[in-house]
Amino acid sequence: DVKVTQSSRYLVKRTGEKVFLECVQDMDHENMFWYRQDPGLGLRLIYFSYDVKMKEKGDIPEGYSVSREKKERFSLILESASTNQTSMYLCASKNGRALHFGGYTFGSGTRLTVV
Amino acid sequence: GDSVTQMEGPVTLSEEACLTINCTYTATGYPSLFWYVQYPGEGLQLLLKATKADDKGSNKGFEATYRKETTSFHLEKGSVQVSDSAVYFCALSDPAGGSEKLVFGKGMKLTVNP
Repeated sequence: DVKVTQSSRYLVKRTGEKVFLECVQDMDHENMFWYRQDPGLGLRLIYFSYDVKMKEKGDIPEGYSVSREKKERFSLILESASTNQTSMYLCASKNGRALHFGGYTFGSGTRLTVV
Repeated sequence: GDSVTQMEGPVTLSEEACLTINCTYTATGYPSLFWYVQYPGEGLQLLLKATKADDKGSNKGFEATYRKETTSFHLEKGSVQVSDSAVYFCALSDPAGGSEKLVFGKGMKLTVNP
């Protein structure tokens, strides 16, 4: 089975800190995604990447950046954490060759609290 | 742009009750449609999918049929169990959008009581 591993399950950070959320997948998938999940808003796409060193903005990229130096790893960076970034963050990956016929594999999520 | 509208709940049912979660979509092209499920404390898992009109996806007793004429993909189960308690998300992937990204509905929390 494809595994998507997010490094932290729970994280508490202070306002203004630089925060790194790490995601690793083990199936050589081209596409990787970062979503945030908030009650009443569902999942919203922050950034995605379809290849190493490639990145695309999603629907809510403000306040975030990403890094994809290796195919298996996709990092989400909060340059200066703010309380409105308190959320559940979900990473996902997908095989690009399958186009949209296959599903996505999600990690278990990182619940980030900014105080 | 592409969008998904689904029942938001929360919904509470008794065991063995029937379940229908409505989902409709708007898309530029010809999307694939998905239902994802999130059990408490976990990430999302693919429940079922359909890639063309009239396709029926099914898994774990759940079913959904891709209805192009009504742009719908309603999720149904004839008899729910306590273990079905979870949040359910309808989603689409639209190749005409030019990327592989998923667009989600807001999710619906289902609680099934014994």
